[in-house]
Amino acid sequence: QVQLVQSGAEVRKPGASVKVSCKSVGYNPYYMHWVRQAPGQGLEWMGWISPHGGETKYAQNFQGRLTLARDTSITTDYMELSGLTSDDTAVYYCAKENLYYDLWGRGTLVTVSS
Amino acid sequence: QSAATQPASVSGSPGQSITISCTGTSSDVGAYKYVSWYQQYPGKAPKLIIYEVSNRPSGVSDRFSGSKSGNTASLTISELQAEDEADYYCSSHTSTHTRVFGTGTKVTVL
Repeated sequence: QVQLVQSGAEVRKPGASVKVSCKSVGYNPYYMHWVRQAPGQGLEWMGWISPHGGETKYAQNFQGRLTLARDTSITTDYMELSGLTSDDTAVYYCAKENLYYDLWGRGTLVTVSS
Repeated sequence: QSAATQPASVSGSPGQSITISCTGTSSDVGAYKYVSWYQQYPGKAPKLIIYEVSNRPSGVSDRFSGSKSGNTASLTISELQAEDEADYYCSSHTSTHTRVFGTGTKVTVL
């Protein structure tokens, strides 16, 4: 049974970067997506990384600021977002895709505050 | 890529049926069978309840059903129960290999 275990909450100042991890327990190669949810708002798709990490796709809103990476040796995915502003305060989820999101991490709260 | 449009809120009494619409474009919802629906309780991660327009994962109540016509997908919850009170989101593949979520619908059981 695959589980997705995300790293803990982070606090950053405006202009900084944040890196969130998502470890797959019971690993099999699959596409991993990242989705965020600002307080009281809806789900926003951010991007995906291919099963072996060789390909990525980002939402236009995050082009140039978002980097997705995968370390297959430790079955861990990473989401790094740079140039943070208060608008990036949100819960960030990793989600396994099998043409649909059948497994989600519990989410990581990222707070951007001066 | 703009979010697909859902009604902000839908309400119903216990035992009634409600339907939530998800209107996209011919480049996403209208183009693929890969439309899915998610239920989310406050403070929790979303949970898959419908995939590929109308299929239910194992363990999901058969009171949830999905359909699609043109650029609009729909989720119907029949025999509404108090436990159905949650937020619901649609999601679709797009022609540019990205994904789009709906704006989300808050379901209230009166």
